[in-house]
Amino acid sequence: AQSVTQLGSHVSVSEGALVLLRCNYSSSVPPYLFWYVQYPNQGLQLLLKYTTGATLVKGINGFEAEFKKSETSFHLTKPSAHMSDAAEYFCAVSGGGNTPLVFGKGTRLSVIA
Amino acid sequence: KAGVTQTPRYLIKTRGQQVTLSCSPISGHRSVSWYQQTPGQGLQFLFEYFSETQRNKGNFPGRFSGRQFSNSRSEMNVSTLELGDSALYLCASSRTGSLVADTQYFGPGTRLTVL
Repeated sequence: AQSVTQLGSHVSVSEGALVLLRCNYSSSVPPYLFWYVQYPNQGLQLLLKYTTGATLVKGINGFEAEFKKSETSFHLTKPSAHMSDAAEYFCAVSGGGNTPLVFGKGTRLSVIA
Repeated sequence: KAGVTQTPRYLIKTRGQQVTLSCSPISGHRSVSWYQQTPGQGLQFLFEYFSETQRNKGNFPGRFSGRQFSNSRSEMNVSTLELGDSALYLCASSRTGSLVADTQYFGPGTRLTVL
């Protein structure tokens, strides 16, 4: 079974500051990990995913995440926040194959000018 | 190319009624998944269809059902609506349904309100 915990339901950062959104997972099998973003009144968009290989994963819009097995974490970062990054971010885990995604509760990111 | 489309975008129903939501996947995509999004429970997987066959099902009561047609379009049906069924229902499509080798593309969702 898999589960995801996102620490902090709401994170607020200043424009230009580092963005750090935390995600910890639990999985009985090697996990496949994902970050999605949801803008208001829209569906989810895949930011990045970790399957195998390099543990530092680069995604779209300047985001990246690092898979740390020893810490069971997959935190999302971006060096410099833009106003357009304000959205809801979801971390998700899957056991692979056709195993469905299990999502965290989400973290709402606010960017202050 | 056109994205995943969902109709209708907004829907208001009363308790006890039934509702049918529609999802048209991206052309060439044979896998369609449905998710329910609520403030309390978050995003939860409902079911996945591939080539007209249900491959996976989440932990939802039998009131929730779905189907997929030969053109890959999918519908989900909720019978005997309850207040707790108020949610954003998201549809996602991909070519194979493999989350590892493939990418799921989400539609904008159908906002269902049950009064």
